[in-house]
Amino acid sequence: DVKVTQSSRYLVKRTGEKVFLECVQDMDHENMFWYRQDPGLGLRLIYFSYDVKMKEKGDIPEGYSVSREKKERFSLILESASTNQTSMYLCASSPLRGYSYNEQFFGPGTRLTVL
Amino acid sequence: QKEVEQNSGPLSVPEGAIASLNCTYSDRGSQSFFWYRQYSGKSPELIMFIYSNGDKEDGRFTAQLNKASQYVSLLIRDSQPSDSATYLCAVNTDKLIFGTGTRLQVFP
Repeated sequence: DVKVTQSSRYLVKRTGEKVFLECVQDMDHENMFWYRQDPGLGLRLIYFSYDVKMKEKGDIPEGYSVSREKKERFSLILESASTNQTSMYLCASSPLRGYSYNEQFFGPGTRLTVL
Repeated sequence: QKEVEQNSGPLSVPEGAIASLNCTYSDRGSQSFFWYRQYSGKSPELIMFIYSNGDKEDGRFTAQLNKASQYVSLLIRDSQPSDSATYLCAVNTDKLIFGTGTRLQVFP
């Protein structure tokens, strides 16, 4: 079974803090994704990565950055946390495009509250 | 027009009934289609995917795809209270686009 883990289930930070969210997958997937999920807005893609050291912006990258130094690990960074970044953050991974139907497997999520 | 549309619900069905969840999409080039189940406070869990027109069955779940009409549906037979969750439809074009989900309530 695919296992995607996230560093924290719940996180409380203060406005202006730098926040790191870590995601690790153990299935050697090439693709990794960061989403946020808010009531009524559904899943929104923040950033994704198709390879080590490679990143691409999703639909809402503003205020976020990412890092992928190793294939299994994909980090989301909030450079200066703001209250409107309070949300559920979900990491996902999927196998290589062209060899699969792009199904994504999700981690348990991190509920971040910014005060 | 949203790329992937779902009725937000809630859809309420009695235990033992068939629950029918629908999803429409706008991109005719979409190649594959996914259904995820998400319990409150949890992350989405892949139930099944379909990529050819017609039906695909897996246990109590059946996915139906009609590319000409651009809709995909999920039928849940013999619905159980444990099926109560939000069901997300996702459509693969050059990336995976998620609908906002339909909340299903199965009452005893």
